[in-house]
Amino acid sequence: DVKVTQSSRYLVKRTGEKVFLECVQDMDHENMFWYRQDPGLGLRLIYFSYDVKMKEKGDIPEGYSVSREKKERFSLILESASTNQTSMYLCASSPGGLSKNIQYFGAGTRLSVL
Amino acid sequence: QQQVKQSPQSLIVQKGGISIINCAYENTAFDYFPWYQQFPGKGPALLIAIRPDVSEKKEGRFTISFNKSAKQFSLHIMDSQPGDSATYFCAASMTLTGGFKTIFGAGTRLFVKA
Repeated sequence: DVKVTQSSRYLVKRTGEKVFLECVQDMDHENMFWYRQDPGLGLRLIYFSYDVKMKEKGDIPEGYSVSREKKERFSLILESASTNQTSMYLCASSPGGLSKNIQYFGAGTRLSVL
Repeated sequence: QQQVKQSPQSLIVQKGGISIINCAYENTAFDYFPWYQQFPGKGPALLIAIRPDVSEKKEGRFTISFNKSAKQFSLHIMDSQPGDSATYFCAASMTLTGGFKTIFGAGTRLFVKA
């Protein structure tokens, strides 16, 4: 079974703090993604990566950055957390080739910024 | 236009009934249409998917109906069970140079009454 592990289930941070969300996948997948999930808005893509050290902006990248130094690990960074970044964050991975569209999700990190 | 519009937002169905969730898209470049199922406290997981060259795909009690000319697709859950109670997301994916992009609908919360 594919496993996508997010380091924290719940996080509480203060406004202005730098926040790191970590994600690790164990299936040697090429592609990794970060989404945020908000009620009524579905899943919105923040950043994605098709290879090590490669990153692409998604639909809502403002206020976020990412790092992918190793194939299995994709980190989401909130440079200076703000209250409007309170949300559920989901990491996903997908293989390359014909199955690239099938995304495997982690359980999510619920972040509260106070 | 890259939106995927999903309805209804919530749905209550009696056990044994049929649950129907509808989605519509605008961009004809989408070439893969998955449905994801998310239980509370879990990440979304792929349930069933279809490509636009077929009009229907069935897996057990779950069926996708696809209308290419109307740019609409729907999920039908036959003989709905309390264990089907979850949030369902439709999505549309398109192939890009070097990768792909997936747009998710806003989600439908399904509750199946015992």
